[in-house]
Amino acid sequence: SQKIEQNSEALNIQEGKTATLTCNYTNYSPAYLQWYRQDPGRGPVFLLLIRENEKEKRKERLKVTFDTTLKQSLFHITASQPADSATYLCALGSGYQKVTFGIGTKLQVIP
Amino acid sequence: GAVVSQHPSRVICKSGTSVKIECRSLDFQATTMFWYRQFPKKSLMLMATSNEGSKATYEQGVEKDKFLINHASLTLSTLTVTSAHPEDSSFYICSAEQGGMNQPQHFGDGTRLSIL
Repeated sequence: SQKIEQNSEALNIQEGKTATLTCNYTNYSPAYLQWYRQDPGRGPVFLLLIRENEKEKRKERLKVTFDTTLKQSLFHITASQPADSATYLCALGSGYQKVTFGIGTKLQVIP
Repeated sequence: GAVVSQHPSRVICKSGTSVKIECRSLDFQATTMFWYRQFPKKSLMLMATSNEGSKATYEQGVEKDKFLINHASLTLSTLTVTSAHPEDSSFYICSAEQGGMNQPQHFGDGTRLSIL
């Protein structure tokens, strides 16, 4: 069955550093991958979408890579700020198949 | 743009009560909306896909008579938890796709349901 792995352990980094979150998947060939941010008690907020034929996508301080050979996506936040502290979810989708979400990684940016 | 409003944000009620949750797309039309359930430290679990003007498609293991979904217009879907029991307590979140299939989902802020 499809499986998405995100580091469920919290990631703590110092303000100003680059945060890198990992999303690995197995038994799946997604057409696209999405990253969302979720704050406690709130719904997820869409950040970036990258398609299978794209290697990298950027948006302001965010960068996403998608390696279909390694079956992995990396999500980077450069010059991290305490306001970036949240849980980040990756989600995979393909055609008419439902989007599948990972468990999320909690990021804590320490001032 | 692409705002989804979910109401109420929190419900506390007695066992046996039926609870209705509304999900509205405020600035776009959504032919498809999704209902999720989220447990602490768990991933979003898709319960059902709500299609405007037709019956909802439920995921395996989700009781359609327990979780009634109605998508009467292009901007409103409702989820009714019928005869709720403590095991139904959870965080329920709706989402809508803007622009059709394979597009990002826009989520409501969720409803925290607590059944006493």
